[in-house]
Amino acid sequence: AQSVTQPDIHITVSEGASLELRCNYSYGATPYLFWYVQSPGQGLQLLLKYFSGDTLVQGIKGFEAEFKRSQSSFNLRKPSVHWSDAAEYFCAVGSNSGGYQKVTFGTGTKLQVIP
Amino acid sequence: DTEVTQTPKHLVMGMTNKKSLKCEQHMGHRAMYWYKQKAKKPPELMFVYSYEKLSINESVPSRFSPECPNSSLLNLHLHALQPEDSALYLCASSPQFRGSGVRTYEQYFGPGTRLTVT
Repeated sequence: AQSVTQPDIHITVSEGASLELRCNYSYGATPYLFWYVQSPGQGLQLLLKYFSGDTLVQGIKGFEAEFKRSQSSFNLRKPSVHWSDAAEYFCAVGSNSGGYQKVTFGTGTKLQVIP
Repeated sequence: DTEVTQTPKHLVMGMTNKKSLKCEQHMGHRAMYWYKQKAKKPPELMFVYSYEKLSINESVPSRFSPECPNSSLLNLHLHALQPEDSALYLCASSPQFRGSGVRTYEQYFGPGTRLTVT
């Protein structure tokens, strides 16, 4: 069974500082990995995805993530955080089955940005 | 058009009411999903439709009844809900593929319907 662990429930960073959100996954085969962001009361927006190829993937809003198979990790990074980045971030692993994708989400990391 | 729309944005209903949530996408996606999200929790999958056929029902109580009348539309019919069903209900869609092979078909989410059961 696939699973995702986000060890940090809540992270606070200063505006302009760098950010790294941790994600560890468990999956038997090549994983499909995603990072989503959710602002309060809103739906989820895809930041980036990985399924093969270059292990460093670039996403929207200046985010990037690095897939490390040896560590079963897919950490999200941003070199300089903006106040508008404050939100909940979900790491997810997906598996393809019968023409659709079943996605399992981590428990989320809430990012607070202070001036 | 890369948007998934959901109506209504907010819904308050009593435990004896019948109501429906609506989800629409015009991206040509043939897989559509319903998720339930409680506060401070990740989304939990409820149902998956693939080519307008129900593919997954994650043991959801029968007071929730999904319907996919066509490839662009997904409904969730609600009847005799309980207060603990209050949550954000999210709809998503993803492109369809057939056969094996490496694919990634990310899900596009709507903004959700905030449901309160009184």
